[in-house]
Amino acid sequence: DTGVSQNPRHKITKRGQNVTFRCDPISEHNRLYWYRQTLGQGPEFLTYFQNEAQLEKSRLLSDRFSAERPKGSFSTLEIQRTEQGDSAMYLCASSLRERFTDTQYFGPGTRLTVL
Amino acid sequence: SQQGEEDPQALSIQEGENATMNCSYKTSINNLQWYRQNSGRGLVHLILIRSNEREKHSGRLRVTLDTSKKSSSLLITASRAADTASYFCATAPIAGGTSYGKLTFGQGTILTVHP
Repeated sequence: DTGVSQNPRHKITKRGQNVTFRCDPISEHNRLYWYRQTLGQGPEFLTYFQNEAQLEKSRLLSDRFSAERPKGSFSTLEIQRTEQGDSAMYLCASSLRERFTDTQYFGPGTRLTVL
Repeated sequence: SQQGEEDPQALSIQEGENATMNCSYKTSINNLQWYRQNSGRGLVHLILIRSNEREKHSGRLRVTLDTSKKSSSLLITASRAADTASYFCATAPIAGGTSYGKLTFGQGTILTVHP
């Protein structure tokens, strides 16, 4: 049983550098979500895809953030010119859209530390 | 922004006791989900309750939903030390529109079960 995987699990970078995270969803899932979680808080929605289409982006997602899901499979989240405030856990989730429910399954997350 | 509040913020009990956590939210929902998160790790889906359901059980978990009060509760019976974790409620908006499926999380309840 293959769940959602994320790479890398940890990333330490210096302010101003670019970073890219990858998420591999559960294979038959057509929806993929990105969330960000800071210490002591619940996850906050960033963006999501249905197949390869990016359907919604949060206002939290500044111009420095970009996400892609080519071919509707894996997804990447890139942060350009990182800032210390970007330090957080970045969580990916996937789901199979059904008529009345949409249970999301989360990956282990990528913890980003910006020095 | 967070959808609502969870109460209490922290709960400390002895093994074998029951633990009750409450969640309030602000807008109409399609469903409400509860997740568990062990320290520094990804979220594990526990249970989903639809807006037309009032109570749901899964093993030692019991969830109630009162849409008139916009609140839900999670009861864990006969708690174990392994239940120690943060518990989050998350709401999914009503169907229709591109926001369908996007989860909005509360701030969580930290549960500590002492052996």
